[in-house]
Amino acid sequence: QQPVQSPQAVILREGEDAVINCSSSKALYSVHWYRQKHGEAPVFLMILLKGGEQKGHEKISASFNEKKQQSSLYLTASQLSYSGTYFCGTENSYSSASKIIFGSGTRLSIRP
Amino acid sequence: DAGVTQSPTHLIKTRGQQVTLRCSPKSGHDTVSWYQQALGQGPQFIFQYYEEEERQRGNFPDRFSGHQYPNYSSELNVNALLLGDSALYLCASSLRGAKGNQPQHFGDGTRLSIL
Repeated sequence: QQPVQSPQAVILREGEDAVINCSSSKALYSVHWYRQKHGEAPVFLMILLKGGEQKGHEKISASFNEKKQQSSLYLTASQLSYSGTYFCGTENSYSSASKIIFGSGTRLSIRP
Repeated sequence: DAGVTQSPTHLIKTRGQQVTLRCSPKSGHDTVSWYQQALGQGPQFIFQYYEEEERQRGNFPDRFSGHQYPNYSSELNVNALLLGDSALYLCASSLRGAKGNQPQHFGDGTRLSIL
């Protein structure tokens, strides 16, 4: 089951904050976050393995709520380099052969 | 430290033909996953290879098949190409970990166009 991301697109001015949400109809084992710039490969940002875990990457952080089956990505004081499409990928079970199912993405545009 | 490399970068085929895409994983990685990404969509999981065997498969027909070699490199084969197979095909490698899937490192992809 594909996770649902919201919003589908967001436009910010440099320095503003944004939150991207990812929710699943199935129980989650882990959530991955990636950013893809136009014409480039997706780049790994972070993975959250435990419920309630919050991880950070520069000014980008994320939370994972197992009970609500959702994760949120927080971008603070956005920079022009943050522009791109953000994808969450979910694993629904623990398995050494588990697969990641990606959402349809959130397009983030940062204006000077 | 070489990252994930894919070849070719672009490919044009006609309906009914067959195609083979290649992927070399990041150094030290042993698991290769293949994804299909249509324009404006997220990557769709095709299958995953580990120890030369297909370990997981997404919702793709048997026309999509793969192989992994002892050096961990992998191929994706698609037979009887359809117009709908036009997409960016991404290869991602990872190191199998004790706690399930690990971060995946993506290649730049192969852009496949079907005429």
